[in-house]
Amino acid sequence: QKEVEQDPGPLSVPEGAIVSLNCTYSNSAFQYFMWYRQYSRKGPELLMYTYSSGNKEDGRFTAQVDKSSKYISLFIRDSQPSDSATYLCAMGEKEGNNRKLIWGLGTSLAVNP
Amino acid sequence: DTAVSQTPKYLVTQMGNDKSIKCEQNLGHDTMYWYKQDSKKFLKIMFSYNNKELIINETVPNRFSPKSPDKAHLNLHINSLELGDSAVYFCASSRYSGEQYFGPGTRLTVT
Repeated sequence: QKEVEQDPGPLSVPEGAIVSLNCTYSNSAFQYFMWYRQYSRKGPELLMYTYSSGNKEDGRFTAQVDKSSKYISLFIRDSQPSDSATYLCAMGEKEGNNRKLIWGLGTSLAVNP
Repeated sequence: DTAVSQTPKYLVTQMGNDKSIKCEQNLGHDTMYWYKQDSKKFLKIMFSYNNKELIINETVPNRFSPKSPDKAHLNLHINSLELGDSAVYFCASSRYSGEQYFGPGTRLTVT
C-alpha cells in the first residue's frame, strides 16, 4: 500500500462547479499537509498548507484535514477554466530536520467553459 | 523577481554525455531539494541539502551528484547520461516550516 493515495483522474467539470479533490494516507505520523497546483510545463505552486485537523479557507479554496480518518480534501468553489491543472497533495511527518514530503500522484482537473 | 530559478530550462544531449543543472533561490531558505518528475508526472525526491549539508539522499544512481556551494545554490551534475534520465528536474527550497517552493523545472532529453 502506498503511503499516499490520490486518484489521478482525469476529472472534468463544467465552469462554476464545486470540485472536490482527495488524498488518503496510511502514516499516522504525518503532521502537516499541503496542496500544490501544477500547470502544464510549469513547476508545482503551493496552494494551501495546513498543520492540524479542520478546515482552512483561502478565497475559493478550502483545505480540509481529518487525521482520524487519514483523509485530506481540497475544495474549489465556482471553478474556472483557469483552475484546469494537476493538483498534488503532499504531507510530512514533522517540521524541522526531517522535511521529506510524501507526494500523491496528482489529480488532473479540466474545467470546461 | 524569481524566487527559485533554474538553468537551463531545456537540455537536449546525447547518451554518455555529462551535464549540469544549476539552481538558485533568493528566499533566504536554508534547505534545498532536487526532484525528478517522469512522464507519469510523479514527483520523486532525489536529494536535499540543509545549510550545505546533505540530509536526504534517496536511492539514486551515483552518476547523479549534487553540490551546494552555499545556502542559496544547489547544483546537480549528471555523468554518463542514459535514456532513462530523460525527465523534468525540479529544484525547490524551504525554511523550517516545511513549505517547499519550486523552480520552473529543467526539461532534460537524452537522445
